[in-house]
Amino acid sequence: QKEVEQNSGPLSVPEGAIASLNCTYSDRVSQSFFWYRQYSGKSPELIMSIYSNGDKEDGRFTAQLNKASQYVSLLIRDSQPSDSATYLCAVYTGGFKTIFGAGTRLFVKA
Amino acid sequence: DAGITQSPRHKVTETGTPVTLRCHQTENHRYMYWYRQDPGHGLRLIHYSYGVKDTDKGEVSDGYSVSRSKTEDFLLTLESATSSQTSVYFCAISEDRARNTEAFFGQGTRLTVV
Repeated sequence: QKEVEQNSGPLSVPEGAIASLNCTYSDRVSQSFFWYRQYSGKSPELIMSIYSNGDKEDGRFTAQLNKASQYVSLLIRDSQPSDSATYLCAVYTGGFKTIFGAGTRLFVKA
Repeated sequence: DAGITQSPRHKVTETGTPVTLRCHQTENHRYMYWYRQDPGHGLRLIHYSYGVKDTDKGEVSDGYSVSRSKTEDFLLTLESATSSQTSVYFCAISEDRARNTEAFFGQGTRLTVV
């Protein structure tokens, strides 16, 4: 079992819809959770971080964390074609150890 | 983009040759990291640095070495390149180790070993 798992996709949603991206992790002592967006051929860009259970909203993005279920998700409301990218889930477990998932490709259809 | 520059951006090299990749930052961040990114594997940590001359191994460090003689520069060396080291390499910097927010990545270096 991978330490951080994401569905590789592609996840295809129509413009204006809600895109839901999911991530599960195996290390119960994980402390911090991040979502990065990576456009094709570009570097990852941090878009959300969440540290405690519940929801965290930033514009059209909402991160949700459930430590009991070892689950973190990212919701993108009013999806736009410019949101088409690969979304990487990253989990910090302590020290210098951050584990990245392989990413979910999102495609927003105009 | 944050003040991180990787060089070169692209490189093709032959098996068995040494290769050095450079990461230069202007943010004065203490922590610097080298990752490699391969399809299906996500980003994997090669080495990291927590200060000048202070470095340590990550999860995929075999065949790689690093050096940090100045705050702003972090070098990654492939001692003797192999085809399995064909990858995209990213440098990252972080100001806050406690939460390990590798907030800023360089543009990446695409390395091909033939």
